[in-house]
Amino acid sequence: GQQLNQSPQSMFIQEGEDVSMNCTSSSIFNTWLWYKQDPGEGPVLLIALYKAGELTSNGRLTAQFGITRKDSFLNISASIPSDVGIYFCAGLVGGSEKLVFGKGTKLTVNP
Amino acid sequence: NAGVTQTPKFQVLKTGQSMTLQCAQDMNHEYMSWYRQDPGMGLRLIHYSVGAGITDQGEVPNGYNVSRSTTEDFPLRLLSAAPSQTSVYFCASRQGTRSPLHFGNGTRLTVT
Repeated sequence: GQQLNQSPQSMFIQEGEDVSMNCTSSSIFNTWLWYKQDPGEGPVLLIALYKAGELTSNGRLTAQFGITRKDSFLNISASIPSDVGIYFCAGLVGGSEKLVFGKGTKLTVNP
Repeated sequence: NAGVTQTPKFQVLKTGQSMTLQCAQDMNHEYMSWYRQDPGMGLRLIHYSVGAGITDQGEVPNGYNVSRSTTEDFPLRLLSAAPSQTSVYFCASRQGTRSPLHFGNGTRLTVT
């Protein structure tokens, strides 16, 4: 089945720094989604991408749908303590109902 | 509008016991799914349903049963719990293929 390789697994940064994480796959995806999960809660959608090459922003977050349709990245600018959490990429293959998730990037922000 | 509601929040079972994890959504979403989340493994799809009366297997279906008799509810059944089923379980729903998944807050299950 499709697999997503998400990196890095974890990041420790200082408040104010920029963050970048990405997901790659050997499969082609029609949709890329980025979620954030806070402790004890379910994942919450940050950004949805539906077209190859698409670049979308949501406040300090920017994500891109790779032109090959096999990768996506998420950038967070000027990180703040509340950015702490686990970030997941997820991809949907065309014609499939199954959303596949990466293993997550755990972000720690030191004030 | 409560979104996706999961009960219970926490559960401890002994090996061999059975139980049902409940999931309900009030958004009239056709698609519902169950994921399990284990440390270092991300979220893995157990079963999903594209509408009432229709269910299908995900990536890790063994040991779990589902049914979808109504649009609102999608219970997950463990017929004979095993320690390997200790995990956090998330139910999620969406309206259409291009709509994002909405997650519940999870059920933390421990099997001893």
